[in-house]
Amino acid sequence: DSGVTQTPKHLITATGQRVTLRCSPRSGDLSVYWYQQSLDQGLQFLIQYYNGEERAKGNILERFSAQQFPDLHSELNLSSLELGDSALYFCASSVGTGGYTFGSGTRLTVV
Amino acid sequence: TQLLEQSPQFLSIQEGENLTVYCNSSSVFSSLQWYRQEPGEGPVLLVTVVTGGEVKKLKRLTFQFGDARKDSSLHITAAQPGDTGLYLCAGVESGGSNYKLTFGKGTLLTVNP
Repeated sequence: DSGVTQTPKHLITATGQRVTLRCSPRSGDLSVYWYQQSLDQGLQFLIQYYNGEERAKGNILERFSAQQFPDLHSELNLSSLELGDSALYFCASSVGTGGYTFGSGTRLTVV
Repeated sequence: TQLLEQSPQFLSIQEGENLTVYCNSSSVFSSLQWYRQEPGEGPVLLVTVVTGGEVKKLKRLTFQFGDARKDSSLHITAAQPGDTGLYLCAGVESGGSNYKLTFGKGTLLTVNP
């Protein structure tokens, strides 16, 4: 157990739907990062939050949004889902520059 | 264009062999990390290197950061089946305003018994 908890582990949904992925960071970590992993693109940075505030944005589509709550857990919302959104979505947390701790990911399948 | 290029993309070897995987970029990094990812799991941090020319050893794994802090290598001695996995390098660009990691696509290593 890495200390970063992601739910759900698997998600199957239809095109056009909206889903929410949840992440609880490791205790004491203020930064949360979301990444998308696909076979052809590898791990792509989506967005970073630090202590509730958005800190950096990567290749995140406008259909995707995220937030970090006062208890530091974070949610990634994916809407108007397309087949190409099928991927593994990882959350990671960190404190300072000591490296990321990743969760086990959510496997999203859009059918 | 990928900021961090890893090679080879795939590597299949026999138990007991040595191997080296590479991570190259045209950008300078303030630090570089190596992760290992197993199927169905998230990447796990192996090492962080921060100084140009730095060499770190972790049992049979040797990590090196290039002098110019643009590249890195991972050498595994006497590979074992338990070393099988996806090896990812990731860097924090020098001068960046936040601690955001950029990942290479990885080297998928298979060690056959």
